[in-house]
This record gives sequence, structure tokens and C-alpha cells, in this order.
Amino acid sequence: QVQLEESGGGVVQPGRSLRLSCAASGFIFSSYDMHWVRQAPGKGLEWVAVIWYDGSNRYYADSVKGRFTISRDNSKNTLYLQMNSLRAEDTAVYYCARRYCPNGACYNAFDYWGQGTLVTVSS
Amino acid sequence: QSALTQPASVSESPGQSITISCTGTSSDVGDFKYVSWYQQHPDKAPKLMIYDVSNRPSGVSNRFSGSKSGNTASLTISGLQAEDEADYYCSSYTSSSTVFGTGTKVTVL
Repeated sequence: QVQLEESGGGVVQPGRSLRLSCAASGFIFSSYDMHWVRQAPGKGLEWVAVIWYDGSNRYYADSVKGRFTISRDNSKNTLYLQMNSLRAEDTAVYYCARRYCPNGACYNAFDYWGQGTLVTVSS
Repeated sequence: QSALTQPASVSESPGQSITISCTGTSSDVGDFKYVSWYQQHPDKAPKLMIYDVSNRPSGVSNRFSGSKSGNTASLTISGLQAEDEADYYCSSYTSSSTVFGTGTKVTVL
């Protein structure tokens, strides 16, 4: 069965860095575009970044552009999010999510999500 | 990349129907057919309920339906059940990125 498991969250001081990982299993990871989505405590969902299935393209939300880097290692079935220059407003649960691609067709939606990892930026 | 606008809350009795609106702009909802809807129960990951405006993934109840007119998309839940009580988020593809709605808390009275 499809599983996505995030790790790497924790408490970090403003201005510092953190790297999140998302271990994927149960599907052909290298065939899927992957996303990061975050949710601040008690708030709504915010899309963060996407990386294409082969790593050839990456796009970011304006709020993280220049500070965050999405990457993947298809040989390890793992997605990453390198977060630099962290700010208090980056405090959130970070989810990795898989693009919805049933039966060979792909859509702009997310069908599987991890359980999330909490990042708290605080001094 | 401003969030799409949803009503903060909607309440209705079991068995009734509700409709949640999701208003964007001509650069997102109005320009693409790629609107999706997610259900999120407390402390759980979101679940895909509708994609491409009106399509249901396999396994999602046909009580959930979606539509779009201009810059506004809508999610309708018919025959409301207790387990439908959750937060609902719309999202729209927009030029290599995705924008989510502000979220709507659905309460089943």
C-alpha cells in the first residue's frame, strides 16, 4: 500500500536551517511528481513546492522562494525539503503529498499524503 | 498567490444538503478546470474528494459533487452525515503552482 512518511521536524531558532525527508513506499516513486504542503497550527493548508517526477523542474510558493529547496533521490525513494533562513511564520506541520495519477493519467490534485512533521521556529 | 476565498463555516442538519463556495480569480479558478476539494478531519491528513472540478476519485461517496461557474467553484454534500463533519479545502492549479482555499468548517447539527 502507498505510504509517505515525513521526518526531520523539530524546534529550530529563527534564521537556522532544517531538512525534512519524506520516505515513500508502495508505489513507483520515480514516476510521480511530489509536493510539500504545510499547515500552520489552527490554520489552513498552504502549498509550498513541487518537484517533477524526474527532478527536472521545481516550483515554489512566493513565501518560500529563495529560502527553501525541494529535491528528491529516486534511488532512495525519498523526497526532501531543505529549509534555510527559517522564520516564525514557517511554523507548521509539513506534509508531503503525491500527485494524483490513476490509470496512467495525471491530474492537478494530491491523492496520498503523509502524516506530517511539525516544524516550530522559535527562539 | 492569494488564498481562494471560502466561507469560514457551514452548518446543517443530518440528511440535508450544503454547498461550499470557493472564489478565486481569472488567474486560477476561472482560468483552469483544475479545481480539487479536500476533506480534513482533526489531526488527520487531507483526503482528496473531488478533482478537475467535478470528478470523484474511486471510493469517494457520490453524495459529494463539484461544479464551477466563472471564478467560483462549489462543493455540494447531499444527505449530510455525521462523518461529514470536518474542514474542507478547495484548491486550484495556477501556472506551475497550487493555491488552496481558506477552508470551511462543516458542522452537522
